[in-house]
Amino acid sequence: QSALTQPASVSGSPGQSITISCTGTSSDIGTYNYVSWYQHHPGKAPKLMIYDVNNRPSGVSDRFSGSKSGNTASLTISGLQAEDETDYYCSSLTSRTLTYVFGTGTKVTVL
Amino acid sequence: EVQLVESGGGLVQPGGSLRLSCAASGFIFSNYWMSWVRQAPGKGLEWVANIKQDGSERYCVDSVKGRFTISRDNAKNSLFLQMNSLRGEDTAVYYCARHLSSGLDYWGQGTLVTVSS
Repeated sequence: QSALTQPASVSGSPGQSITISCTGTSSDIGTYNYVSWYQHHPGKAPKLMIYDVNNRPSGVSDRFSGSKSGNTASLTISGLQAEDETDYYCSSLTSRTLTYVFGTGTKVTVL
Repeated sequence: EVQLVESGGGLVQPGGSLRLSCAASGFIFSNYWMSWVRQAPGKGLEWVANIKQDGSERYCVDSVKGRFTISRDNAKNSLFLQMNSLRGEDTAVYYCARHLSSGLDYWGQGTLVTVSS
């Protein structure tokens, strides 16, 4: 299974909004509303930020939002904060194997 | 409090086997799909396998098919990953995680598997 494609890095200034894209195919993102986003600080367990395209788990800030159009999903972080600086991964169910595939990962830098 | 604690990692020679365990507590284990996810050194996350609540459905990534088997014991609130014919590229931190629909809402701290001679 090929990984979903994310930009290697995205940056923004404190208070700004940034968007991370996640591009898949008609076999994964394009077919299912089963896209999730994770925040991952190296050496720690990943944290679920968004599931099923645009749902936030309890306790996740409403500064994080998700969307999808065609084969591409997006994570938007509003009101960027220094603590948001880390790695982010998307994932999607894939029809070929009925398992999940992660994105390539995006490093967010707060300038 | 939801807790997932992995164990069983370590150093193994190529071609060898390991069995990872994940002890779950703080929730009704039998109500949830569960998954194993790994991260190789310097690499991104990779979904390895997942299993339905009653174990009747299991799926795994192509790269481990025929070598890894996911299983669970709901009576013991435990998830397992039997890994056979291990290769260098299987070296990674392995996490167990609980499903919240398509997302993984709780993760263990991970256990390191190193495949090397």
